[in-house]
Amino acid sequence: NAGVTQTPKFQVLKTGQSMTLQCAQDMNHNSMYWYRQDPGMGLRLIYYSASEGTTDKGEVPNGYNVSRLNKREFSLRLESAAPSQTSVYFCASSYGGKEETQYFGPGTRLLVL
Amino acid sequence: EDQVTQSPEALRLQEGESSSLNCSYTVSGLRGLFWYRQDPGKGPEFLFTLYSAGEEKEKERLKATLTKKESFLHITAPKPEDSATYLCAVRTNHNAGKSTFGDGTTLTVKP
Repeated sequence: NAGVTQTPKFQVLKTGQSMTLQCAQDMNHNSMYWYRQDPGMGLRLIYYSASEGTTDKGEVPNGYNVSRLNKREFSLRLESAAPSQTSVYFCASSYGGKEETQYFGPGTRLLVL
Repeated sequence: EDQVTQSPEALRLQEGESSSLNCSYTVSGLRGLFWYRQDPGKGPEFLFTLYSAGEEKEKERLKATLTKKESFLHITAPKPEDSATYLCAVRTNHNAGKSTFGDGTTLTVKP
């Protein structure tokens, strides 16, 4: 039982390049989330998926797109990376409904030059 | 707009010196308040969920309490391994699918 896994662990991009961050969970959770965390700050929600086939914007969605590929996988895409997107990205999942405890992955550290 | 404020930003304690971390919130219709622990370079790890004022939960040296305006995370006789950043988050009835996080309190416990 790996929990929530994220790939890659670290990535360096040039401004304007694109990339996709991958996330998978093996806990049969219904809801999945993408957050970003900047130094000295808490987590800000980018997008979330309450269930397979649905996605919704969070607090900071601009510059990102998501795909809920199936129940297990939720990807985050940066179409044209900007230096302001330099951050640590965390994926999380929860069972949903009344059970809202979130389980987080180890994070992806992204540097945009 | 839902707001969560954690204080202090940083707290340095000697081993065995008890203290409290504060999480104050301004929301309408609290659905749940969550505490997480985050170690450097890792993702947050769940500690507690509190749902209603007056509720308390304990785990080892940690005790979380909730009032209508704030939550406290009490740390009794801390050890160096309790050093971490502690994050508070809230969910509301009008934004059930989303959590709003505070900026965290970084706790350092010196031996």
